[in-house]
Amino acid sequence: SQQGEEDPQALSIQEGENATMNCSYKTSINNLQWYRQNSGRGLVHLILIRSNEREKHSGRLRVTLDTSKKSSSLLITASRAADTASYFCATRRGNTPLVFGKGTRLSVIA
Amino acid sequence: GAGVSQTPSNKVTEKGKYVELRCDPISGHTALYWYRQSLGQGPEFLIYFQGTGAADDSGLPNDRFFAVRPEGSVSTLKIQRTERGDSAVYLCASSPPPGTGGFDEQFFGPGTRLTVL
Repeated sequence: SQQGEEDPQALSIQEGENATMNCSYKTSINNLQWYRQNSGRGLVHLILIRSNEREKHSGRLRVTLDTSKKSSSLLITASRAADTASYFCATRRGNTPLVFGKGTRLSVIA
Repeated sequence: GAGVSQTPSNKVTEKGKYVELRCDPISGHTALYWYRQSLGQGPEFLIYFQGTGAADDSGLPNDRFFAVRPEGSVSTLKIQRTERGDSAVYLCASSPPPGTGGFDEQFFGPGTRLTVL
């Protein structure tokens, strides 16, 4: 079953703009992760935020987590054409497998 | 170092045939996962190995699907009597042993695109 649901399903922005993607989930979690996928093939891990953390940064990425609302957001600042990809949130509870959402397709136009 | 590799990259087969998909994880990674991804969807969990044993196979859709990891490294996903609905990209991922700090992050291979005609 899909735990995370990303919003929006698709996003198109100009290079240099910021991109914000949201993820909502249903049950309690240990951590939430964001992955990027290019061209429908392998996923690349971007960032992990634990349930006791509220915000985390990595380069141009900023992730927030609100466990009371069961939601997370991924912000990509100063976007580049190379950021064009699908972005997935994935949640983990205990030792259960990662559960992925359907993803947000981001297009960054040069 | 080498990442997760999967072979073949593409596989076209006919309905009813048997297929094997191979995953070579990162050396030293004890955890290995198989996922299936249909067009426009996120990866869907199939099975998880910790070492040689299947720790969780709750995602396998039916008994036509089976996976092995006999020596705790390479894994093979086997699909019998393939159906058109099995067409998808099959992704493999591995992660370091629990307690090493990197266990939660999964490293994905490029996937095998399976097409059942």
